[in-house]
Amino acid sequence: AQSVTQLDSQVPVFEEAPVELRCNYSSSVSVYLFWYVQYPNQGLQLLLKYLSGSTLVKGINGFEAEFNKSQTSFHLRKPSVHISDTAEYFCAVSEGDQAGTALIFGKGTTLSVSS
Amino acid sequence: KAGVTQTPRYLIKTRGQQVTLSCSPISGHRSVSWYQQTPGQGLQFLFEYFSETQRNKGNFPGRFSGRQFSNSRSEMNVSTLELGDSALYLCASSATSGVTGELFFGEGSRLTVL
Repeated sequence: AQSVTQLDSQVPVFEEAPVELRCNYSSSVSVYLFWYVQYPNQGLQLLLKYLSGSTLVKGINGFEAEFNKSQTSFHLRKPSVHISDTAEYFCAVSEGDQAGTALIFGKGTTLSVSS
Repeated sequence: KAGVTQTPRYLIKTRGQQVTLSCSPISGHRSVSWYQQTPGQGLQFLFEYFSETQRNKGNFPGRFSGRQFSNSRSEMNVSTLELGDSALYLCASSATSGVTGELFFGEGSRLTVL
């Protein structure tokens, strides 16, 4: 069965510092990969997705992620964070179109940015 | 363009009762998915509806059901509520059925079961 592991439950950083949120997945088939962000009392918003092609994916708000098939990882990075990036971040995987919109989510990483 | 609208936003029920949650997708979107979010289990897929047909179902008991209307609005129902059903229920809409399309999430309905 598929699973998604977000290696850090909480990541505290200072403003303007770089950050990496780690995500590993397990699957025996080709997958689609996603990062979503959830601000307090709000729904989830798509940051970026990997479907195929270039392994470096750029998303909104200056975030990017790199798909590494051999290490089954999809880590999220930002070179310089802002206070407004404080939120919970979820990595998710899908086994493709047959799965429809059924995503398997990790447990989330809380990013706390302080000044 | 209006986003995904979920009602009610908050509700409190007691064990054994049933609840119905509503979701209005973005105009033109035909796919509606439901997810349950709890602190312990995280985000879990409940089901997806596309053009009034259930396309996929997650691993939840039969007490959880849903439907979609011809205008793409969807409802989910939970019968015989248990304490463990307390959660944030999120609805997401998509223009297509398939994960390659972006999912747009609503703000959720927070259910508390006492």
